[in-house]
Amino acid sequence: GAGVSQSPSNKVTEKGKDVELRCDPISGHTALYWYRQSLGQGLEFLIYFQGNSAPDKSGLPSDRFSAERTGGSVSTLTIQRTQQEDSAVYLCASSLPLRGVGTEAFFGQGTRLTVV
Amino acid sequence: QKEVEQNSGPLSVPEGAIASLNCTYSDRGSQSFFWYRQYSGKSPELIMSIYSNGDKEDGRFTAQLNKASQYVSLLIRDSQPSDSATYLCAVTAGATNKLIFGTGTLLAVQP
Repeated sequence: GAGVSQSPSNKVTEKGKDVELRCDPISGHTALYWYRQSLGQGLEFLIYFQGNSAPDKSGLPSDRFSAERTGGSVSTLTIQRTQQEDSAVYLCASSLPLRGVGTEAFFGQGTRLTVV
Repeated sequence: QKEVEQNSGPLSVPEGAIASLNCTYSDRGSQSFFWYRQYSGKSPELIMSIYSNGDKEDGRFTAQLNKASQYVSLLIRDSQPSDSATYLCAVTAGATNKLIFGTGTLLAVQP
């Protein structure tokens, strides 16, 4: 597709349930990022994938959060045993870094997660 | 110290004025610097990138980078009410391309 695609756009789940959020990056982009944005707050880094390198998971807030990227393309962010504090907009971005210099990252429309 | 710091604002400027947005970063190894605009309820939208010291102009926008002072700024000339948004500064972390964002500055352009 032409841009970064995220699904679903909105997700309401009950506390304690697991959720999966999907990100389909721009074709050919080797870098993929996940961020979380709570209401009125900045972007909190969660995880970063770059090509075949081990992902940078330093931003994942707890072991309930995990992410994978299959075949260097689509990524899934999984939140297990959701809590109310997990309610936020989850944003995915992709870029095509060249020679170690980060080129522009483009965002999807986000998934608004509400835990009730 | 936060990795990327911005004044949260709000920064209020009259229509037609120059808006000046500032950002400092802590990692001297950072190589790439970006400004994003985020309207309420929308995703961040890239508006400028800068990789070397000095100024980079694109239309009404000018990005300025000073690596020695670890300082990035964005100037918006002839500000319009449609420029009212939160402006996010982003910096790549050291030798990696992990992109770290500041908390953003809310800009309000008064008609």
